[in-house]
Amino acid sequence: AQRVTQPEKLLSVFKGAPVELKCNYSYSGSPELFWYVQYSRQRLQLLLRHISRESIKGFTADLNKGETSFHLKKPFAQEEDSAMYYCALTGGTSYGKLTFGQGTILTVHP
Amino acid sequence: DTGVSQDPRHKITKRGQNVTFRCDPISEHNRLYWYRQTLGQGPEFLTYFQNEAQLEKSRLLSDRFSAERPKGSFSTLEIQRTEQGDSAMYLCASSLRGSRNTYNEQFFGPGTRLTVL
Repeated sequence: AQRVTQPEKLLSVFKGAPVELKCNYSYSGSPELFWYVQYSRQRLQLLLRHISRESIKGFTADLNKGETSFHLKKPFAQEEDSAMYYCALTGGTSYGKLTFGQGTILTVHP
Repeated sequence: DTGVSQDPRHKITKRGQNVTFRCDPISEHNRLYWYRQTLGQGPEFLTYFQNEAQLEKSRLLSDRFSAERPKGSFSTLEIQRTEQGDSAMYLCASSLRGSRNTYNEQFFGPGTRLTVL
């Protein structure tokens, strides 16, 4: 069975501090991993995907197959980064169907 | 086209009543997904359509739940004999179908919040 675990429900940092949101997954195969974000009063939207290897809004995430992790990082957090972040995966015969983690609420204080 | 829309945005009903939600996807998208999100949890997959064909249903989707996409455009999700445990946010998403093992971004709607009293 595929599973995504985000161990931190809440994460608080100060503006300018580094931030890391943790994500671990369980999947027998080669999944595709994503980070989705939901800002206050907005829809869930894709932030980044591991396969594109992009940096979006200063965020990066590296897929570590050995540790089955896909942590989201940003070296200098901004107040506008405050949001709910979900890690998600897809793969196998149900390619396209997303399995989400529980989410982490990030609060960046001024 | 302003993206995926869902109607209603909020629904309050009494236990035992039937409810129906509608989702209008982005017009050229042939895949449509339904997810359910309870408080403090991430979205959970319920079912998805490719055009009008329902290709997969989660074991979460009991016999009281049924979804349709009759003409491959909008979709409806009906819950019969609602229970308090059905209270949740119901999210719809749409995407283009990718080629084999190619993920196309899912665009989410604002959701329908169901409260069962």
